[in-house]
Amino acid sequence: KQEVTQIPAALSVPEGENLVLNCSFTDSAIYNLQWFRQDPGKGLTSLLLIQSSQREQTSGRLNASLDKSSGRSTLYIAASQPGDSATYLCAVSPLMAGTASKLTFGTGTRLQVTL
Amino acid sequence: KAGVTQTPRYLIKTRGQQVTLSCSPISGHRSVSWYQQTPGQGLQFLFEYFSETQRNKGNFPGRFSGRQFSNSRSEMNVSTLELGDSALYLCASSLEPDRTSPQYFGPGTRLTVL
Repeated sequence: KQEVTQIPAALSVPEGENLVLNCSFTDSAIYNLQWFRQDPGKGLTSLLLIQSSQREQTSGRLNASLDKSSGRSTLYIAASQPGDSATYLCAVSPLMAGTASKLTFGTGTRLQVTL
Repeated sequence: KAGVTQTPRYLIKTRGQQVTLSCSPISGHRSVSWYQQTPGQGLQFLFEYFSETQRNKGNFPGRFSGRQFSNSRSEMNVSTLELGDSALYLCASSLEPDRTSPQYFGPGTRLTVL
């Protein structure tokens, strides 16, 4: 059974700092990995999707890397802003055919960027 | 293009009642998935529908059911509500149920069972 863990569970940084969020998964048989952000009481916003054949994806100040063999992904946020404050979740999609939508989510990292 | 919409946004029910939640996917998206989010268990996959057929199901009791209509809109139903069913129910849509389509989530329906 796939298990996804995110460390740290909570993080507080001053504005402008660069930061890294970690995601680890126990079963390397994944097809892709997605990073989401969730604002309090709201749904999820997709940030980046990395196919298992890729090593990283970038969007603006965000960069996500994937090391499938070691079961790890990182989300790098450059020059953090107060608007980045949210919970960040990673989710893996299984490799087994026909099950791509059965995402397994991590426990989340609650990020607070202070002024 | 409008995002995924879910109705209602908030619901309060009592134990033993049943509830129906609705999800309208992004226009052109044909795959709809449902997730339950609770503080204790986090986000858990409920089921996925494509072309009016359930393709995948998570580890939830039979009280949880769903369906999809020909216009790709989906509903989920929970019968004989229990206190533990209180959660944020999220719907996600994607173009096709394949591996390269990211899932786009709606704002969720907050269900409180008293």
